[in-house]
Amino acid sequence: DGGITQSPKYLFRKEGQNVTLSCEQNLNHDAMYWYRQDPGQGLRLIYYSQIVNDFQKGDIAEGYSVSREKKESFPLTVTSAQKNPTAFYLCASSIGGKGAEKLFFGSGTQLSVL
Amino acid sequence: KQEVTQIPAALSVPEGENLVLNCSFTDSAIYNLQWFRQDPGKGLTSLLLIQSSQREQTSGRLNASLDKSSGRSTLYIAASQPGDSATYLCAVKTYSGNTPLVFGKGTRLSVIA
Repeated sequence: DGGITQSPKYLFRKEGQNVTLSCEQNLNHDAMYWYRQDPGQGLRLIYYSQIVNDFQKGDIAEGYSVSREKKESFPLTVTSAQKNPTAFYLCASSIGGKGAEKLFFGSGTQLSVL
Repeated sequence: KQEVTQIPAALSVPEGENLVLNCSFTDSAIYNLQWFRQDPGKGLTSLLLIQSSQREQTSGRLNASLDKSSGRSTLYIAASQPGDSATYLCAVKTYSGNTPLVFGKGTRLSVIA
């Protein structure tokens, strides 16, 4: 089945620890995105990548880092500099380009602080 | 900077009722507008995408309209069912470069049997 796979579903972070959230897609999409969702809030963009080896900061990039070494993979690292990391993290992808850019989402990772 | 607002934040209706969800945006220079559905603890599913040149899109019991000049979109759900209970989010893509989607906070819908 084609789609976007996020893992793990639940993740716990200790103080001062970096953690990495995985996002893999087999849709052959060029563009990939990371969003953060807090309870009762809309989605806020962390980072996005239009092509391999290139990515741009979104609205709330501080305390996060990403890489895009392969087209199908876009991992997100939540660093110790992110002081309030508890949230639901959503990865998405799209075919790319402008115009009819339908977004496909993974099932999310819930990150909590121990 | 584009801002997207959804009213109401929550809505409860009896089964079988027709309902309208509202979405407004501040910058009318948009490429398209999408409506998504999100079930609790899950990712988002795209329901309808309206291009800037279109006025509406339909899928089954769902109909989305777009009025760019007034910065508004509505999602109409006909003959609501308990299975329609979810949070509905709208998102717009503006013209400027490769700017990704800007999301509203969503409307949480409960359809009571």
